[in-house]
Amino acid sequence: NAGVTQTPKFQVLKTGQSMTLQCAQDMNHNSMYWYRQDPGMGLRLIYYSASEGTTDKGEVPNGYNVSRLNKREFSLRLESAAPSQTSVYFCASSRDRGTEKLFFGSGTQLSVL
Amino acid sequence: QKEVEQDPGPLSVPEGAIVSLNCTYSNSAFQYFMWYRQYSRKGPELLMYTYSSGNKEDGRFTAQVDKSSKYISLFIRDSQPSDSATYLCAMFSGTSYGKLTFGQGTILTVHP
Repeated sequence: NAGVTQTPKFQVLKTGQSMTLQCAQDMNHNSMYWYRQDPGMGLRLIYYSASEGTTDKGEVPNGYNVSRLNKREFSLRLESAAPSQTSVYFCASSRDRGTEKLFFGSGTQLSVL
Repeated sequence: QKEVEQDPGPLSVPEGAIVSLNCTYSNSAFQYFMWYRQYSRKGPELLMYTYSSGNKEDGRFTAQVDKSSKYISLFIRDSQPSDSATYLCAMFSGTSYGKLTFGQGTILTVHP
């Protein structure tokens, strides 16, 4: 059982380049999330999707866009990468709205030069 | 001031010790409290989940919530080297959907 799968695991970008982080879950969960983790800052919510077809901004949405492609997949796009977006990105999912029992992927380490 | 404060450590203890990890928070609306464990280069995994005040025990782990003091703790008994990880507290109100607030994480090392 794969759980939450993120690709790629590592990525290096130049300032101004774009890329999409992919996330898929096979647990039939309704809700999906994108977080970033920075030293001393903990995990901060970028965007979330309560259910297929809906997305909402989290704490730090600027510079990012998301797409809930279907119930399984939730992608995060950086249109014009900046050094401040250097971070580790985690996708997560949860079965039910409001319980926040999150299952996380193993992360994408992104460096923007 | 951050909504959730957690001592980042690092904390180093000998095998078999009792470990106490703590978080304080300022938002009195928080009702659900969690502890996540994160191994190096892995995603966090849910360890303990509690609602409102009180204690919850699961094997060697005990989660404690004191809402009057806005203080939560995770106790690890008979700590093992496999417990070496970063421990993150997290909490939310139950009405602000998607707004899980995390502490900064405490790095724990249990040495043999």
